[in-house]
Amino acid sequence: QKEVEQNSGPLSVPEGAIASLNCTYSDRGSQSFFWYRQYSGKSPELIMFIYSNGDKEDGRFTAQLNKASQYVSLLIRDSQPSDSATYLCAVKGGRQAGTALIFGKGTTLSVSS
Amino acid sequence: GAGVSQSPSNKVTEKGKDVELRCDPISGHTALYWYRQSLGQGLEFLIYFQGNSAPDKSGLPSDRFSAERTGGSVSTLTIQRTQQEDSAVYLCASSFGTANEQFFGPGTRLTVL
Repeated sequence: QKEVEQNSGPLSVPEGAIASLNCTYSDRGSQSFFWYRQYSGKSPELIMFIYSNGDKEDGRFTAQLNKASQYVSLLIRDSQPSDSATYLCAVKGGRQAGTALIFGKGTTLSVSS
Repeated sequence: GAGVSQSPSNKVTEKGKDVELRCDPISGHTALYWYRQSLGQGLEFLIYFQGNSAPDKSGLPSDRFSAERTGGSVSTLTIQRTQQEDSAVYLCASSFGTANEQFFGPGTRLTVL
């Protein structure tokens, strides 16, 4: 069983819509959850991190965490063409507590103008 | 301040040659991580350094891979007797302590012919 799973997409949304990106993880002991954005040919860029159940908002981005369901999501409001990228979900803690991030393979988002 | 820097940005080598990849973390960051990203694959953890502690080498794929970190700052990842399957983008990340967010460098694209 893969440790962090994401739908590879592509997820296509029109400009101005809400994009919803989802991620599930297998290690129930995981403590920290991160969303990175990666443009083609570039390195991952941290967008959001969340440690506690519930929602965390930062500008147009909202991260949602549900540890009971082992589910974390990223909502992007008022999506812009510049949001088109691959979004990587990463998890830390559990069996690899305090060390590396475990990444999903990413969801490709395409925002059309 | 300056972000994580890596050199070279691109490296083309012949099968069987040794290569060295360099990472200079964000000033003050005590933790340094190496990952690699192969085409169509997610980010794969390789090795992690925290302060003066022994590195976590659990992600290294073979004994041809090694890394060191001198003076708690710059790190060098060495791949001996390179193979074609070593072709990937090698990413370095650093964080202020292991519990905090990791920030990635621009990566080194390694191509083994």
